[in-house]
Amino acid sequence: DSGVTQTPKHLITATGQRVTLRCSPRSGDLSVYWYQQSLDQGLQFLIQYYNGEERAKGNILERFSAQQFPDLHSELNLSSLELGDSALYFCASCLGWGHNEQFFGPGTRLTVL
Amino acid sequence: AQTVTQSQPEMSVQEAETVTLSCTYDTSENNYYLFWYKQPPSRQMILVIRQEAYKQQNATENRFSVNFQKAAKSFSLKISDSQLGDTAMYFCAFMKQGGGANSKLTFGKGITLSVRP
Repeated sequence: DSGVTQTPKHLITATGQRVTLRCSPRSGDLSVYWYQQSLDQGLQFLIQYYNGEERAKGNILERFSAQQFPDLHSELNLSSLELGDSALYFCASCLGWGHNEQFFGPGTRLTVL
Repeated sequence: AQTVTQSQPEMSVQEAETVTLSCTYDTSENNYYLFWYKQPPSRQMILVIRQEAYKQQNATENRFSVNFQKAAKSFSLKISDSQLGDTAMYFCAFMKQGGGANSKLTFGKGITLSVRP
């Protein structure tokens, strides 16, 4: 158990819908990262937050957005869902500056029908 | 931009034997970190081993060791005394040094390792 929690574990929805994935980092970790794992694209970095502020963006679609709240949990919002958004979405956390080990949550499996 | 290449999609090894998984990367950075992550059928991402580019000594964690060749930009993982529990997908990953926006992981496509009883 990495100490990072993600909910829900599984999500099945229809095209055009909007969903929210939630992540709680390890206690004390300030950085949160979101990654997408799909058959087509492999594991890709989406976005990073540090202590509530966005720090880096990767290949994140405009239909996707995220935020980190004052209690440091983070949410990834996916809207206007398409079949190709079906993937495993991981959240990872890290202490912050100067620390390089990222601890991954169990992931949320999103299926868009 | 950094790229990580794992050219072998699948490998198989007999239990108790040794196997080496290959990884090459491309970067213009001088200081960075390299990682191997394991993803078993449960899908959990587990850190296996890490290497700091400024260290010449190869990292070792129990049965897992790396062969880090900085000039060749090669970072292979050796698993000794393979166990059935080693069956998983293995990802090589790169991270720039410096924290902040540099701290995202760039992953290779992964290799599926099967350990045969």
